[in-house]
Amino acid sequence: DSGVTQTPKHLITATGQRVTLRCSPRSGDLSVYWYQQSLDQGLQFLIQYYNGEERAKGNILERFSAQQFPDLHSELNLSSLELGDSALYFCASSVAYGPLTYNEQFFGPGTRLTVL
Amino acid sequence: QKEVEQDPGPLSVPEGAIVSLNCTYSNSAFQYFMWYRQYSRKGPELLMYTYSSGNKEDGRFTAQVDKSSKYISLFIRDSQPSDSATYLCAMTSLIQGAQKLVFGQGTRLTINP
Repeated sequence: DSGVTQTPKHLITATGQRVTLRCSPRSGDLSVYWYQQSLDQGLQFLIQYYNGEERAKGNILERFSAQQFPDLHSELNLSSLELGDSALYFCASSVAYGPLTYNEQFFGPGTRLTVL
Repeated sequence: QKEVEQDPGPLSVPEGAIVSLNCTYSNSAFQYFMWYRQYSRKGPELLMYTYSSGNKEDGRFTAQVDKSSKYISLFIRDSQPSDSATYLCAMTSLIQGAQKLVFGQGTRLTINP
């Protein structure tokens, strides 16, 4: 158990809908990262937040957005869902954001999203 | 062409064998190189990370980085059935903000008793 929690574990929804995925980082971790894992694209970085502020952005679609709240939990919002959005969504957390040092990222168990 | 290439396998070996997993990459700015293990229906967990070129050993696992060839490897000695999982290489650079990991496709490994 990494200490990172994600809810829900599974989500089944229809095309065009909007969903919210939730992540609670490990105690003391200030950075949160979101990743998408699909069979064809593999594990891809979406976005990083540090202490409430966006720090880095990856291949995140405009239909997707995220935020980190004062209590450090984070939410990933996916809207206008398409079949291709079906994937595993992982949240990870690390102690800090360090442009000069590497901080280990601890991954949560993921949320499996199925869009029908 | 992807920034990080990894043979997806699957790779199946007998228990006790030495396993070699490899990744190549194209971005010479990468400085931190990681190997993650992912069991089915679980999140990735960090096995080892290496900064720049060189070798690093941790028990039965050895990570090698050759920056001149843009090639990294993970060796597993005395492989066990519990090592059966998908192994993902990942890398990042300070230029990309330090924590924007770029992953390989993952290699599915099965160790047969």
